[in-house]
Amino acid sequence: GAVVSQHPSRVICKSGTSVKIECRSLDFQATTMFWYRQFPKQSLMLMATSNEGSKATYEQGVEKDKFLINHASLTLSTLTVTSAHPEDSSFYICSARAPGQGALTFGSGTRLTVV
Amino acid sequence: DQQVKQNSPSLSVQEGRISILNCDYTNSMFDYFLWYKKYPAEGPTFLISISSIKDKNEDGRFTVFLNKSAKHLSLHIVPSQPGDSAVYFCAASSRGNKLTFGTGTQLKVEL
Repeated sequence: GAVVSQHPSRVICKSGTSVKIECRSLDFQATTMFWYRQFPKQSLMLMATSNEGSKATYEQGVEKDKFLINHASLTLSTLTVTSAHPEDSSFYICSARAPGQGALTFGSGTRLTVV
Repeated sequence: DQQVKQNSPSLSVQEGRISILNCDYTNSMFDYFLWYKKYPAEGPTFLISISSIKDKNEDGRFTVFLNKSAKHLSLHIVPSQPGDSAVYFCAASSRGNKLTFGTGTQLKVEL
């Protein structure tokens, strides 16, 4: 089945620094990938849609300059949290839809802690 | 505006019995519905889906029911097993676009 790999699984960084999270589709090409964020005991909220070769589409209320998305190839999308603050601490999850499948396949998530 | 709602934050069921997880939605444009299972610190895992042209889809121990007129879907797990203990999210989409998730229901299957 379709596999989406996400790295790192856990990262701790200092306030003011930037953190990059990678999302790869291992056995299929994904022109579109989705980045979600989940706060404790809350739903998964879509942050942005990553489009290969073009700009990402951000959901309302998500700062595009803070959450930089790059989708440079058909198998890789990256999310960079710039100038991280403690309130950015969250669980970030990427996903993609394999060709012919209706369901999204999710990565294993990245737990970001900003101290 | 929460377009997909799971009103029960938690559910406790005995092993071997049926687990019924409920989900309501408000957007009549949704035409595809999914259930995901999630363990702590992991990404969601797809369980089962249903298109709006159907009212039931079954896969092993998992059955999803869709009532379009009531804008309601449910996931039945029978028999429930301890390994089913997890958070279950329902999700919906319109014309294959982005998924909107519910708030999740924590299922605990007790021995």
